[in-house]
Amino acid sequence: DSGVTQTPKHLITATGQRVTLRCSPRSGDLSVYWYQQSLDQGLQFLIHYYNGEERAKGNILERFSAQQFPDLHSELNLSSLELGDSALYFCASSDRVGYTFGSGTRLTVV
Amino acid sequence: GENVEQHPSTLSVQEGDSAVIKCTYSDSASNYFPWYKQELGKRPQLIIDIRSNVGEKKDQRIAVTLNKTAKHFSLHITETQPEDSAVYFCAANPNTGFQKLVFGTGTRLLVSP
Repeated sequence: DSGVTQTPKHLITATGQRVTLRCSPRSGDLSVYWYQQSLDQGLQFLIHYYNGEERAKGNILERFSAQQFPDLHSELNLSSLELGDSALYFCASSDRVGYTFGSGTRLTVV
Repeated sequence: GENVEQHPSTLSVQEGDSAVIKCTYSDSASNYFPWYKQELGKRPQLIIDIRSNVGEKKDQRIAVTLNKTAKHFSLHITETQPEDSAVYFCAANPNTGFQKLVFGTGTRLLVSP
């Protein structure tokens, strides 16, 4: 157990739908990062939150949004889903030394 | 911004051989270079890292070297074992004050018995 908790582990949904992925960082970590990993692809940075504030954005689609709540958990919202959004979504938290990844949410859009 | 290139994309070795994976980065201000191992369907896990004030770091069978002048760093795995088979990602941290790692594209390492 890395200490970073992601739910759900698996999600199957239809095109056009909206889903929410949840991440709880390690105790004491203020930063949460979201990454998308498509099949056999690398880790694409989506967005970074620090202590509730958005700090950096990567190649995040306008259909995607995220937020970090006062208790530091974060949610990634994906809407108007397309087949190409099928991927593993990882969050990671950081203590300014390194990243620790959660186990990921596997999203399948059918 | 920072750009990290990683080579090779795939690497096949025989058990007991050494494996070397190389990365180059573009931002001379980057100061932290971790390596992650990702087994199929699992989360990336940190296996070793190096900071810009160190040229080499070793942990048992794995080592990382850093050449700041040339802006490249490498992962060395000696006496490879089948359980080393995985995808390895290098990353660099632009010195922005907030950790945001830029990842290489990954190397799929296959160790054959």
